[in-house]
Amino acid sequence: DAKTTQPPSMDCAEGRAANLPCNHSTISGNEYVYWYRQIHSQGPQYIIHGLKNNETNEMASLIITEDRKSSTLILPHATLRDTAVYYCIVRDYMTTDSWGKFQFGAGTQVVVTP
Amino acid sequence: EAQVTQNPRYLITVTGKKLTVTCSQNMNHEYMSWYRQDPGLGLRQIYYSMNVEVTDKGDVPEGYKVSRKEKRNFPLILESPSPNQTSLYFCASGQRAGNTIYFGEGSWLTVV
Repeated sequence: DAKTTQPPSMDCAEGRAANLPCNHSTISGNEYVYWYRQIHSQGPQYIIHGLKNNETNEMASLIITEDRKSSTLILPHATLRDTAVYYCIVRDYMTTDSWGKFQFGAGTQVVVTP
Repeated sequence: EAQVTQNPRYLITVTGKKLTVTCSQNMNHEYMSWYRQDPGLGLRQIYYSMNVEVTDKGDVPEGYKVSRKEKRNFPLILESPSPNQTSLYFCASGQRAGNTIYFGEGSWLTVV
C-alpha cells in the first residue's frame, strides 16, 4: 500500500510559488518525510527532508503539519527548470529494513509555464 | 566530484544473452540500490545493499541478481534477459547513517 498520496499533476506560473501537497496519514514517529524530483528521465534529485519541524534550504521549504499527517513542499519562485515529477517519500530511520527500502510513489508532475 | 556512474548508458540486447550493468560510486557510501522505471509504474526498487556482502530484495527482484564484493561497486546482473526487462535502470548510493541518496544518470536497456 502506498504510504503517501500526491495529486498526479499541477501547473504553476513562472515566478510564482509552487505549493505541492502530500498526504501521509499513516506516518509513524520514526519516519522522515523526503522530497525528490526527477527532471524528464534523469536520476532523481534530493530536495529536502524533515521529521517534525519545518525545514528550508536553498531549493525549497518543507512545511509539516503538527500531526505529521501531511506536508507541503514550497518552491518559492518557480522557474521553467523546475518542471519535473516531484516525489514525496516517507522513510523509517530506525529500522534497517525500512531504511534500505526507499520507495517512490507516482509523484506529482509539475509544469511551470511562462 | 561525487558521482554514481552506470555503464552502459544504452544497450540493446537479445533475449537470453546474459548482461551486467555496472554501478560505481566514489563517495565511500555503504548503501547502494538498483531501481527500474517504467511508464505508468514509477520507480521500483530491485535490490539494495546496506554494506559489502549484504544484499536484500526490493519490490521487483525476480530475474535479477546483484553482488557487493567491494564497497564502491554494485553490479546488476540479468542472467537471461527477457523483453519485460526492457526498462530504464537507476543505481543509487548513500551513507548508511545519512539521509540523502544519490542517483546515477540511468541505463536504458532494451531486450528484443
